Amino acid sequence: AQKITQTQPGMFVQEKEAVTLDCTYDTSDQSYGLFWYKQPSSGEMIFLIYQGSYDEQNATEGRYSLNFQKARKSANLVISASQLGDSAMYFCAMREILSGTYKYIFGTGTRLKVLA
Amino acid sequence: EAQVTQNPRYLITVTGKKLTVTCSQNMNHEYMSWYRQDPGLGLRQIYYSMNVEVTDKGDVPEGYKVSRKEKRNFPLILESPSPNQTSLYFCASGEQGMGTDTQYFGPGTRLTVL
Repeated sequence: AQKITQTQPGMFVQEKEAVTLDCTYDTSDQSYGLFWYKQPSSGEMIFLIYQGSYDEQNATEGRYSLNFQKARKSANLVISASQLGDSAMYFCAMREILSGTYKYIFGTGTRLKVLA
Repeated sequence: EAQVTQNPRYLITVTGKKLTVTCSQNMNHEYMSWYRQDPGLGLRQIYYSMNVEVTDKGDVPEGYKVSRKEKRNFPLILESPSPNQTSLYFCASGEQGMGTDTQYFGPGTRLTVL
């Protein structure tokens, strides 16, 4: 069954340091998409980055990059130069295509705390 | 401003009293979806819709109904709410396709069923 696993319930990082949030996925599909979302304490869901299964290069968006290792089925989020405003819950998600329809599966999240 | 709106934002109700949470998007997206978020479980998809009059079950559809009569609206209906449906609900919309499509989320509706 398709599944997203985030094994780190919580993490700390010092301000200005880089941090990696782990995400592994399981799917038998050849075509899928991987996403990361940020949920600050205010509750909204903010899209960060997307990686398609056929994309050969790792996705980057500003300070965010997605370390995509297809053979290992991992899609780790790397945040460079952490800022206090990065403290939030982070969700990894996968879009699978079933008979032409789109289903999304989310991981349980990693709570990141950036320390001053 | 491009956005997904949900109403109400907060709702306290009692077991068995039918309720509807509305969702509307102004981005002309074909895809819309409902999620519930519970501590330790992340977000779980309830229902989704690929287009008008096309809806499908997500992972946790029991106890919920949806309809998609027009492109911009995708209401979530709880015919007989129960306490285990107490949760934070998100509506989302997005474009289809294998490009950098993503979902845009509404602000969430916090539902408490007593």
